[in-house]
Amino acid sequence: DAGVIQSPRHEVTEMGQEVTLRCKPISGHDYLFWYRQTMMRGLELLIYFNNNVPIDDSGMPEDRFSAKMPNASFSTLKIQPSEPRDSAVYFCASRSSSYNEQFFGPGTRLTVL
Amino acid sequence: DQQVKQNSPSLSVQEGRISILNCDYTNSMFDYFLWYKKYPAEGPTFLISISSIKDKNEDGRFTVFLNKSAKHLSLHIVPSQPGDSAVYFCAAKGQAGTALIFGKGTTLSVSS
Repeated sequence: DAGVIQSPRHEVTEMGQEVTLRCKPISGHDYLFWYRQTMMRGLELLIYFNNNVPIDDSGMPEDRFSAKMPNASFSTLKIQPSEPRDSAVYFCASRSSSYNEQFFGPGTRLTVL
Repeated sequence: DQQVKQNSPSLSVQEGRISILNCDYTNSMFDYFLWYKKYPAEGPTFLISISSIKDKNEDGRFTVFLNKSAKHLSLHIVPSQPGDSAVYFCAAKGQAGTALIFGKGTTLSVSS
């Protein structure tokens, strides 16, 4: 069974550029979460979806951040325009509604110069 | 305001001894608690969990204790092994359908 897949694993971009992070959840999972990890704030929830519908986006820091889930097997997190303070590791996670455990992808390390 | 707090950023333990990682929470509506382990350049992986109706759950070398009156949980690792060196995150979940809220993590270093 494949786990949560994220791409790219590393992204280096310049300030002002658009960045798109991608996630494929575990098949059959109906919840998808986007988290950001920084030294200062730890693992913070950005947004989560249930059955492809955004449920809570209160953690999205600014309007520069947006997330979509067009179908059950794909989600994107977009930052436009990117800023150096967006540099962090971004994790996608998924879970089944039958369980409490979330399964994380390997993360995307984003560096904005 | 942080709802889940891990007040010790780091912990160093000798191989074979007990490691105790602590976590405090503020929201009495949390009904499920989990511990995740994270190695560098990898995503967090689920380790052990406990429901709020229990006060202890054990899985091999790992035991989680929950003290609801104190809003405190702890993870005990006995005996500690060098491979346990990682960042440990405490997480909590409220009512059905909500996301996990994580603490900032504690870095455990087990020396041989």
